[in-house]
Amino acid sequence: QQQVKQSPQSLIVQKGGISIINCAYENTAFDYFPWYQQFPGKGPALLIAIRPDVSEKKEGRFTISFNKSAKQFSLHIMDSQPGDSATYFCAANFQGGSEKLVFGKGTKLTVNP
Amino acid sequence: KAGVTQTPRYLIKTRGQQVTLSCSPISGHRSVSWYQQTPGQGLQFLFEYFSETQRNKGNFPGRFSGRQFSNSRSEMNVSTLELGDSALYLCASSFIGREQYFGPGTRLTVT
Repeated sequence: QQQVKQSPQSLIVQKGGISIINCAYENTAFDYFPWYQQFPGKGPALLIAIRPDVSEKKEGRFTISFNKSAKQFSLHIMDSQPGDSATYFCAANFQGGSEKLVFGKGTKLTVNP
Repeated sequence: KAGVTQTPRYLIKTRGQQVTLSCSPISGHRSVSWYQQTPGQGLQFLFEYFSETQRNKGNFPGRFSGRQFSNSRSEMNVSTLELGDSALYLCASSFIGREQYFGPGTRLTVT
């Protein structure tokens, strides 16, 4: 119940295309859903986050779509660029004051020029 | 504002030894969390400290421990190192809400 399942494991997209990464969770106690971007040799960087009272959040080329009834959320990267090539992690956080994040296994995105 | 800093960045240890990793959070952040990242298990939560108190602990053996100081800096210790402890150890800090910011990590190799 504490898992976050992420798919696909890897994704190859052409420059200018749309990258879509999906995550699903079971535990309805989760109330915060961030996405992180990680480049080789670096720590994860917070990209965008959403809470269950919102169905969509957009920041620049990055959009989170959230479906509370299906317990799913996804990251869309519009106009994907080679510089977006990285590993992306979805995560979820429990209520109750703890900062513990439960992470998906990650998606390695490659954007070809 | 300076980001989360972790020292050392790289470490090579032998089985059976112990190791201490250090994390300095973003100025003003009082919560520090530690994660272990491996290719097989991904990112796994170790523990979280807030105002020098451990608030939550992940499913790791007692060889993994941590502490937080009054200036919010945190250390984690791994005793009796095993080969399987080889990983990237990440520290994250947060201030308000749930936005956690990660440091660059400490790459630990156990031989």
